[in-house]
Amino acid sequence: IAGITQAPTSQILAAGRRMTLRCTQDMRHNAMYWYRQDLGLGLRLIHYSNTAGTTGKGEVPDGYSVSRANTDDFPLTLASAVPSQTSVYFCASSDQGDSNGYTFGSGTRLTVV
Amino acid sequence: GQNIDQPTEMTATEGAIVQINCTYQTSGFNGLFWYQQHAGEAPTFLSYNVLDGLEEKGRFSSFLSRSKGYSYLLLKELQMKDSASYLCAVKDSNYQLIWGAGTKLIIKP
Repeated sequence: IAGITQAPTSQILAAGRRMTLRCTQDMRHNAMYWYRQDLGLGLRLIHYSNTAGTTGKGEVPDGYSVSRANTDDFPLTLASAVPSQTSVYFCASSDQGDSNGYTFGSGTRLTVV
Repeated sequence: GQNIDQPTEMTATEGAIVQINCTYQTSGFNGLFWYQQHAGEAPTFLSYNVLDGLEEKGRFSSFLSRSKGYSYLLLKELQMKDSASYLCAVKDSNYQLIWGAGTKLIIKP
């Protein structure tokens, strides 16, 4: 089934630990994105990648890093987790045009304690 | 700053029609999107407007007025499964999506 796979589905993480959220798509979309969603706020862009080998910073990049070694994979790493990074994280991808919007993964619910 | 405004919550009756408004102030405009998000799930794409006017897709329609910085999503013949949050998003001059906080729609029998 074409789409985006995120892992893990949920995680409880001790503050100060390092963690990588995984995201894989099989639609051959060039652009990929990481968002966080917090109650009462709109989705906020963390990092994005317009094509394999390139990445850019979004609205809230501090404390996060990404890599885009190939078209399919776009992992998000928290180098040293803090409680304010407790959130639901969504990975998304899009093709060249906008007519089909973004496709989202099912999300990772992360709790930092 | 950039801003997307939508009502926090709306209630409607099964079988009725509801209009969810979205106003935006962004640096540039390169399209407006509506997404549906059921509780605990990912957003799913509903519609895309880049020119003024109405786009119709079955029971759902989306309207855009760029001069007014305004859009609405119209849902007809409401069904219980339409209970969800509806997210408005605008692509700005840097081609980045700016998201509203979403409108939670509650459908009552």
